[in-house]
Amino acid sequence: GAVVSQHPSRVICKSGTSVKIECRSLDFQATTMFWYRQFPKQSLMLMATSNEGSKATYEQGVEKDKFLINHASLTLSTLTVTSAHPEDSSFYICSALPRGNTEAFFGQGTRLTVV
Amino acid sequence: GEDVEQSLFLSVREGDSSVINCTYTDSSSTYLYWYKQEPGAGLQLLTYIFSNMDMKQDQRLTVLLNKKDKHLSLRIADTQTGDSAIYFCAEIISSNDYKLSFGAGTTVTVRA
Repeated sequence: GAVVSQHPSRVICKSGTSVKIECRSLDFQATTMFWYRQFPKQSLMLMATSNEGSKATYEQGVEKDKFLINHASLTLSTLTVTSAHPEDSSFYICSALPRGNTEAFFGQGTRLTVV
Repeated sequence: GEDVEQSLFLSVREGDSSVINCTYTDSSSTYLYWYKQEPGAGLQLLTYIFSNMDMKQDQRLTVLLNKKDKHLSLRIADTQTGDSAIYFCAEIISSNDYKLSFGAGTTVTVRA
């Protein structure tokens, strides 16, 4: 199946710093990528939808200035958590939707810990 | 509240069948999915069913869909220890861009 690579898998950062998470589709072009956040023992919450070459669409309650999403190419989307706080600590997962497909492929996730 | 609801825990003996249930709210859902998440890992798509189907079988997995009751279930036959994981059901909430809405996940524990 199609492969989505998410990097890094784990990151620890200090409060106030910014962290960038990359999501790459390795063997297909993804016109749409999704970013999810998962709190412990809870479901995945959709944060935003990014389409290549256009601004991301954020879900209600998600601060777009805090969670910057860039979908610069058909194979790469990045999520930058700016001025991170401990409450941003979470598991972030991206998924990529190939053109014309109904199945989205997920990355392995990034465990972010803000200390 | 949640658009997709699942029971949180299921304990099953090795070799028995597991049945994980899910209810959803969007009657216009076209596809419904089952994902598996192992500890610390991302999501793995197990199977999906199109809304005009009642059942789909794939090796040890059987998906049943009751569209009238908006009820989806996943049956795992001959459950193995490697099946211990969190299982999420999900529905497409936007047919334009295939956004998914997930249930809270069912933690399946397989005991010897």
